[in-house]
Amino acid sequence: GENVEQHPSTLSVQEGDSAVIKCTYSDSASNYFPWYKQELGKRPQLIIDIRSNVGEKKDQRIAVTLNKTAKHFSLHITETQPEDSAVYFCAVMNSGYSTLTFGKGTMLLVSP
Amino acid sequence: DAGITQSPRYKITETGRQVTLMCHQTWSHSYMFWYRQDLGHGLRLIYYSAAADITDKGEVPDGYVVSRSKTENFPLTLESATRSQTSVYFCASSEWGDIGAEAFFGQGTRLTVV
Repeated sequence: GENVEQHPSTLSVQEGDSAVIKCTYSDSASNYFPWYKQELGKRPQLIIDIRSNVGEKKDQRIAVTLNKTAKHFSLHITETQPEDSAVYFCAVMNSGYSTLTFGKGTMLLVSP
Repeated sequence: DAGITQSPRYKITETGRQVTLMCHQTWSHSYMFWYRQDLGHGLRLIYYSAAADITDKGEVPDGYVVSRSKTENFPLTLESATRSQTSVYFCASSEWGDIGAEAFFGQGTRLTVV
């Protein structure tokens, strides 16, 4: 099955700094790569996603880049704010199985 | 209300008891999923369903049973609860095909097995 590695497990930044979270995956047939944000005690919610035919996607302060050759993708958050503090999960979908495999999560702490 | 809801939100049960977690969605999404969330493990797939009467195992199915007689409901049953099944359980639904789409999560059920 799919193996998704996510790094780092925790990330502390100052407000206004950038944050980068990286994920690698094992199955070259995977074709959908979403990122979810989970605030403490809440449900995971999609913040951005990218498909295998696109190399980069931006939405205001967040962006995702995908390198299919190297089988890794990254979440970039610029001008971080305290409300960005949460656990972020990358996920990978293989169309052959129609399921999402999640990374273990990154706890991001943004200090004022 | 439209959306995906889980019940109960919190449950304490004893080892060996059967317990059922409920999940209901109002979007008529074809796909539904059950995940468990544990510290250090992220979200792990227990079972999923591509349509009514079609279910399949995920990464950690042992000790769990699912059914899907109606599109909108996807209950998860722990046949004989064990302490290792203490976890937060999330149900999710999606209308994706081969290209992927957003998965919408319920608010979660925190289950404690004592």
